[in-house]
Amino acid sequence: AQSVAQPEDQVNVAEGNPLTVKCTYSVSGNPYLFWYVQYPNRGLQFLLKYITGDNLVKGSYGFEAEFNKSQTSFHLKKPSALVSDSALYFCAVRPRGSNFNKFYFGSGTKLNVKP
Amino acid sequence: NAGVTQTPKFQVLKTGQSMTLQCAQDMNHEYMSWYRQDPGMGLRLIHYSVGAGITDQGEVPNGYNVSRSTTEDFPLRLLSAAPSQTSVYFCASRDTGFSSGANVLTFGAGSRLTVL
Repeated sequence: AQSVAQPEDQVNVAEGNPLTVKCTYSVSGNPYLFWYVQYPNRGLQFLLKYITGDNLVKGSYGFEAEFNKSQTSFHLKKPSALVSDSALYFCAVRPRGSNFNKFYFGSGTKLNVKP
Repeated sequence: NAGVTQTPKFQVLKTGQSMTLQCAQDMNHEYMSWYRQDPGMGLRLIHYSVGAGITDQGEVPNGYNVSRSTTEDFPLRLLSAAPSQTSVYFCASRDTGFSSGANVLTFGAGSRLTVL
């Protein structure tokens, strides 16, 4: 079965400090990997994706993510957090095999950035 | 460019009632999908469609019906609502071509449904 795990329900970080939001997955093959962000009472917005190539991908608003094939992880990172980064973050995968039309999402991690 | 539009934004139903959540997109996306978002469970795929006349089940299809008569519209029907269907529902679409955005889902703002 395909699954995506976000082990932390909540991450707290001080403004200006680096942040990491963790994601691991159990999906056969080499899936496409994504991060989305959700602000209160809004739909999800795309942040970044990994398809192939360089393991470090850069996305919107200064976010980046590191793909680690051996650990099947795709952690979201940002060197210096802003209060405005506070939101709910979702990791998602899209398999390349028989389930290629389905996206699987993690349970979400609430990021709190304190001034 | 409106993107993905969902209506209604809020709805309260009684157990056993039926209703349809509407989803429309103006990006000419062939792929459309419905998710439900529940606390601690993330988003779960209900149904998806890869083009007009083609639909398939996702992870949690029971209790929901869909149809796709046009490229633009993908309504989600609840035939007999149950309290377990209380959730926030999101419609999402994506390009199925070879552009850089082909793998990226574009989401609507959501529809909050309460079943009493």
